[in-house]
Amino acid sequence: GEDVEQSLFLSVREGDSSVINCTYTDSSSTYLYWYKQEPGAGLQLLTYIFSNMDMKQDQRLTVLLNKKDKHLSLRIADTQTGDSAIYFCAEEDQAGTALIFGKGTTLSVSS
Amino acid sequence: DADVTQTPRNRITKTGKRIMLECSQTKGHDRMYWYRQDPGLGLRLIYYSFDVKDINKGEISDGYSVSRQAQAKFSLSLESAIPNQTALYFCATSSGANEQFFGPGTRLTVL
Repeated sequence: GEDVEQSLFLSVREGDSSVINCTYTDSSSTYLYWYKQEPGAGLQLLTYIFSNMDMKQDQRLTVLLNKKDKHLSLRIADTQTGDSAIYFCAEEDQAGTALIFGKGTTLSVSS
Repeated sequence: DADVTQTPRNRITKTGKRIMLECSQTKGHDRMYWYRQDPGLGLRLIYYSFDVKDINKGEISDGYSVSRQAQAKFSLSLESAIPNQTALYFCATSSGANEQFFGPGTRLTVL
């Protein structure tokens, strides 16, 4: 079945780069997404990448997509304490009706 | 004002009680979703609706029911709550394009 896998925890120091990795199973997904959940809040779309792209950059965020390996990564440059949150990778289900989320990676940034 | 609102934000109830969680949106979106979030399990889809007359089961619909009272309102009911339904519940909306917009969540505790 469809599945999205990501590591559960990542700890970095302020100013370092963070890389959060994700693997997915459905190669037909048109878009792949990164959502951010801050403590006590709902999820917010952070960025997304179209499946025919290899890379997307948006300020401090870089998304890399390797379709052959079904691997997606999110790089946060110059990580700040405000980046501490849970980051979810998501793909579209085969019917294109809903999103399938990974379990979330908790990013902890220490000063 | 928030685009997607959920009431209540917190609820403690007892086993066997009926409870309703409500979601309202001002975004004018046709698609609405209910998810539950459990620590280490990510978000799992309970039900979704693409318009007022359309209701679909998600991955974990057992023990839940929904009602789409209007385009802007989508409620989730637990007919007879049980402790393993203790979780954080999120409503989300979408226009069918890339992004889902999430409410702030309802923390439900079933004793």
